[in-house]
Amino acid sequence: QVQLQESGPGLVKPSETLSLTCAVSGYSISSGYYWGWIRQPPGKGLEWIGSIYHSGSTYYNPSLKSRVTISVDTSKNQFSLKLSSVTAADTAVYYCARHMTTVTVDWFDPWGQGTLVTVSS
Amino acid sequence: QSALTQPASVSGSPGQSITISCTGTSSDVGGYNYVSWYQQHPGKAPKLMIYDVSKRPSGVSNRFSGSKSGNTASLTISGLQAEDEADYYCCSYAGSSTWVFGGGTKLTVL
Repeated sequence: QVQLQESGPGLVKPSETLSLTCAVSGYSISSGYYWGWIRQPPGKGLEWIGSIYHSGSTYYNPSLKSRVTISVDTSKNQFSLKLSSVTAADTAVYYCARHMTTVTVDWFDPWGQGTLVTVSS
Repeated sequence: QSALTQPASVSGSPGQSITISCTGTSSDVGGYNYVSWYQQHPGKAPKLMIYDVSKRPSGVSNRFSGSKSGNTASLTISGLQAEDEADYYCCSYAGSSTWVFGGGTKLTVL
């Protein structure tokens, strides 16, 4: 059973860099799939941030691309998110999820429980 | 890349059927058969309910079904049950290796 768990600071100051890690258990990242980050501002909808393959190939949301870096560490079976120059608008629950995307199928499943990151001084 | 359009809320009585729409453009919903639907209970992570427009993952009730016509995808829940009360989100591939979610729909079971 694949499980994902987000971790990282719950409070980040404006203009600084948000850093989160997603630990994967029950499946080896090196075996395949993409791995994604999705966020949800309080009381609002979901926004795809980006996805990474175990080889390091990345896809990013164009609206966030200039500030986002997603990386993978296969030795630790985890992947990470960095979002720079954060503002209050980046306050959200951040989820990581396994992202299956091929020419025949496309879905995000399962998801981590999510972690709330607040941007405030 | 704009969020897909969903009704803010829908409601139905137990046993009834409801449909949630998800409207996009020919660049996302209308252009690909890669629409998925997620159920989210308060304070919980989203759960995959439908993928590739109409396919159901193992373990998801057959009361949930999906379809698409043109630029609009739909999620239908038949035989409404109290535990179906949740927020529902659609998601579509939007080309150029990008994905877009809908704004979400709150389902109330009366």
